[in-house]
Amino acid sequence: ETGVTQSPTHLIKTRGQQVTLRCSSQSGHNTVSWYQQALGQGPQFIFQYYREEENGRGNFPPRFSGLQFPNYSSELNVNALELDDSALYLCASSFNAYEQYFGPGTRLTVT
Amino acid sequence: RKEVEQDPGPFNVPEGATVAFNCTYSNSASQSFFWYRQDCRKEPKLLMSVYSSGNEDGRFTAQLNRASQYISLLIRDSKLSDSATYLCVVKAPKRSGAGSYQLTFGKGTKLSVIP
Repeated sequence: ETGVTQSPTHLIKTRGQQVTLRCSSQSGHNTVSWYQQALGQGPQFIFQYYREEENGRGNFPPRFSGLQFPNYSSELNVNALELDDSALYLCASSFNAYEQYFGPGTRLTVT
Repeated sequence: RKEVEQDPGPFNVPEGATVAFNCTYSNSASQSFFWYRQDCRKEPKLLMSVYSSGNEDGRFTAQLNRASQYISLLIRDSKLSDSATYLCVVKAPKRSGAGSYQLTFGKGTKLSVIP
């Protein structure tokens, strides 16, 4: 096991609602990255946090936002949920953004 | 051209076979390269980093050709447990923000090892 945990494991929301996903990084890691993985696709980079600051962002709209806390855990917030937001959301932690280790993911379904 | 491109497969091979996966990337500023494996409905797991000189880990060999912007993964003596999707991953600096970079994943190549 990688030591990266995510909660919740599954979530069902309706369109227009807001959701918060959580990630605890592996001990000793200072960087957390978030990815969205749709069925049959590779993970798509959402953003990365390094020492509590956003340090890189993919092509996702501003309604995807995040936080990193002093203990390096992180949250991903998605506002105004759309049907296409249904996916597996993966968090990965690393030390100084090198080799990334993934958590088990949160499967989000938007109805 | 896609940033990271892989043959989606599926590759169906018998146990004991040797199989090779290829991956090409478009950003010449890419710095680091990795192979991950992902089992069905599970998270990706780091298989190996890819070094410029090529590297081997047991039955797995990874190679990098920077001139051709090409990465490969060779699996020898395939086992049933090797059945998974193999993801090629490339790390490159982002245009915006000093020290900012992005990991880009390919869509993955599915491998099925058959008894």
